[in-house]
Order: sequence, then C-alpha cells, then structure tokens
Amino acid sequence: DIQMTQSPSSVSASVGDRVTITCRASQGISIWLAWYQQKPGKAPKLLIYAASSLQSGVPSRFSGSGSGTDFTLTISSLQPDDSATYYCQQANTFPITFGQGTRLEIK
Amino acid sequence: EVQLLESGGGLVQPGGSLRLSCAASAFTFSNYAMGWVRQAPGEGLEWVSSIVGRGGGIYYADSVKGRFTISRDNSKNTLYLQMNSLRGEDTAVYYCAKVGFSSNWSFDYWGQGTLVTVSS
Repeated sequence: DIQMTQSPSSVSASVGDRVTITCRASQGISIWLAWYQQKPGKAPKLLIYAASSLQSGVPSRFSGSGSGTDFTLTISSLQPDDSATYYCQQANTFPITFGQGTRLEIK
Repeated sequence: EVQLLESGGGLVQPGGSLRLSCAASAFTFSNYAMGWVRQAPGEGLEWVSSIVGRGGGIYYADSVKGRFTISRDNSKNTLYLQMNSLRGEDTAVYYCAKVGFSSNWSFDYWGQGTLVTVSS
C-alpha cells in the first residue's frame, strides 16, 4: 500500500499568513493527488485534484503543486473560514489512501 | 446541484449486518464511479470501497474485504454497501462519494454521512 505522510500534523497561523502543508507518498503517484478540507461534523470538501487543479467554486487562495512523491497545498492569505483539518489522498493506485490530516488553527 | 443522501446507519451488535444506501441526484449516475469512505470517531479518513460506473471494476480495502459488498443500481441512481460480520472497529461515519471527472479516483462530491455503531 502507498503510505501518505502529511506535515505538519497541526499548524497555527494568523489571518493573512501564507500557509503550506506538505504530503509525501511512499512511492510515485504521478499527479494523482487530491486535497480535502474538513470542518467538524461535516463531510470533506474537495479543494484540489490532480495535484494542482482547483475544484470549481474553491477560492483561488488555495493552490496545489507537486508530482511523483512530494506535494504541497498552499493557502496564500489565510482567512478565518480556513480553520479546518486538511487531508491529502492518493488517487493513483488501489487501495486508495489518505494522509493522517493536518489541523489548521487560526491564531 | 449534485446531492448524495446516505441512509441505513444505526446501532448493530458485533457479528451483525447493515445495508447502507446512497441516493444520488443531479448528475448522470451511471457515468461515474462511486465510493465509500469512513471516519471513526476522532480519527482520519479511511477509504472502504469503490465501484466503476458500469460493468466490473470493484475495489475494497483489506480491512473490509470478504465482509462488505459494494453495488449499485443505475436504474435507481443508488449506491449500496452491504456490511456483514460487523466488528467494533467498523464503528464510523460512512460517507458516500462521487468520483470526479478527469481526477482518477479522487472524490468531488460527498454525502453528509451516516453513523454506524457496532456495539453490544
């Protein structure tokens, strides 16, 4: 199975900050990586697919990059509504696997 | 607006069975692969199973293989998950999710989830 490792596990940042979350795959997955945002008690929401494609309706402050084994989710200017847990998911090979999550807190 | 509405969750004893349903609307259901993802209380996301739009292509996590069966009825726009021989570790919120177009196996729409509790 492909292991997905996110870092950091948690981060605290201020409104307006630039925040970066990384995800590393244990083997190459080409561009087949997705990022999700999940708020407490809610279903996950797709932010980025195919490593860098912005899902329709998602604010442009969210961006993704990477290929192969190393990927990054960047929030260019943090907003209060961005407080959530973020997950990466490899969509290349079964079994599909998720990262352990990164909890983002607004200071 | 795409909608996915899960039902069928509840409390079941260890060793018991449940069948989850997911009613889909506002998209051509048969054209899209679908999946189930679960989340144990306080834990992360775990993929359970996926099924292609038509004909073949069914995949399971090792943790549920042989106990869970995914299926779909394209005439009813409904996805199912038959869960047998349930264990305490199957306790989770189960989400139905639609696979996105041109996204390989990532999920662009999710239901609200249905809670399955396995306990005596």
